[in-house]
Amino acid sequence: NAGVTQTPKFRILKIGQSMTLQCTQDMNHNYMYWYRQDPGMGLKLIYYSVGAGITDKGEVPNGYNVSRSTTEDFPLRLELAAPSQTSVYFCASSQDREAFFGQGTRLTVV
Amino acid sequence: AQSVTQLGSHVSVSEGALVLLRCNYSSSVPPYLFWYVQYPNQGLQLLLKYTTGATLVKGINGFEAEFKKSETSFHLTKPSAHMSDAAEYFCAVSGITTGNQFYFGTGTSLTVIP
Repeated sequence: NAGVTQTPKFRILKIGQSMTLQCTQDMNHNYMYWYRQDPGMGLKLIYYSVGAGITDKGEVPNGYNVSRSTTEDFPLRLELAAPSQTSVYFCASSQDREAFFGQGTRLTVV
Repeated sequence: AQSVTQLGSHVSVSEGALVLLRCNYSSSVPPYLFWYVQYPNQGLQLLLKYTTGATLVKGINGFEAEFKKSETSFHLTKPSAHMSDAAEYFCAVSGITTGNQFYFGTGTSLTVIP
């Protein structure tokens, strides 16, 4: 049982480049989330989804986009990377009031 | 609106001493409450959660937390610290919303001194 899988684990982007952070879960959870973690700031919610075809903005959505075409997958898209998007990104899924997290993607924008 | 405050971004305890990590929340409705632990370069792992019922909740690795509605608190404790407890700890809340969002505190880094 893999749980929540994120790829890639590390990535360096140049300013203005785009990329997609992949997230997939095999627990058939309806709820999925993307967070970013910055030192001393805790985790901030970027986007979330309550099921396939439904997404909504979290606390810090600017500069990001998501889609949820299947229950399993919830990719996060950065269209024009900026240094402020340097962070560690976590994908999570939940059911029954418990969230399960992936191992994270460490992104550096230079 | 919901928010979580963790007092003390860094806490140091001696091995074998009591661990106390503080968490207060603000919420317009009674929330569900969680403690997560994060080891270096890893994701978050659930320690314990309070949803309903008994206000003293026991979790993994000997940790427990007590929900005190009157104090809007959910402090995490462990009677005797172990070296392996050194990690970052996050308090989180989620409410009765359709999105089931989780809101996190800023974290407390626990150091255990041998």
